[in-house]
Amino acid sequence: KNEVEQSPQNLTAQEGEFITINCSYSVGISALHWLQQHPGGGIVSLFMLSSGKKKHGRLIATINIQEKHSSLHITASHPRDSAVYICAVRSGTSGSRLTFGEGTQLTVNP
Amino acid sequence: DTGVSQDPRHKITKRGQNVTFRCDPISEHNRLYWYRQTLGQGPEFLTYFQNEAQLEKSRLLSDRFSAERPKGSFSTLEIQRTEQGDSAMYLCASSAGQRNTEAFFGQGTRLTVV
Repeated sequence: KNEVEQSPQNLTAQEGEFITINCSYSVGISALHWLQQHPGGGIVSLFMLSSGKKKHGRLIATINIQEKHSSLHITASHPRDSAVYICAVRSGTSGSRLTFGEGTQLTVNP
Repeated sequence: DTGVSQDPRHKITKRGQNVTFRCDPISEHNRLYWYRQTLGQGPEFLTYFQNEAQLEKSRLLSDRFSAERPKGSFSTLEIQRTEQGDSAMYLCASSAGQRNTEAFFGQGTRLTVV
């Protein structure tokens, strides 16, 4: 079992829909990151959080430390949101490195 | 500063050849990471530098792989005697100062071994 599990693996939505991507982890963490990866490989950091909730534009990230679970929400989705979304954790025992989930491929159709 | 840059963006090499990749982190960042990502998977940790010191290496980093950061600025990742299984995207990331700071990623180097 991976230390970081994401669901769903693939998600197709219509423009305007509310989207949720889930991340569960099995280790104690010091921080959780949500990342976005477009075709071609470049990764952009969306959020880093260790508790509670953060919002940036149409993106919202939440984390429940007790349940070891985080969600990424996209409101009013748009085709330009189509990308791979990756959850990554920095655990208490792994030093500074990140451990990644396998990613969720999101496709938003117009 | 334009962020983390990696060179080359793409590399095709024949099996058995050596390849070297370069990463230039954001200038004030003292932490530098190398990750490897195969198709359809999330990135996997390879190695980590704080300034010029290589502080952590993954078991994935076999003796054919070596990484350096000689002056605490840019880093190189060399793969000797490449194998088809080395084909992947090699990602570099950098971060500043404290442990829980945001990581900034480069565009990656896509290696294809034929």
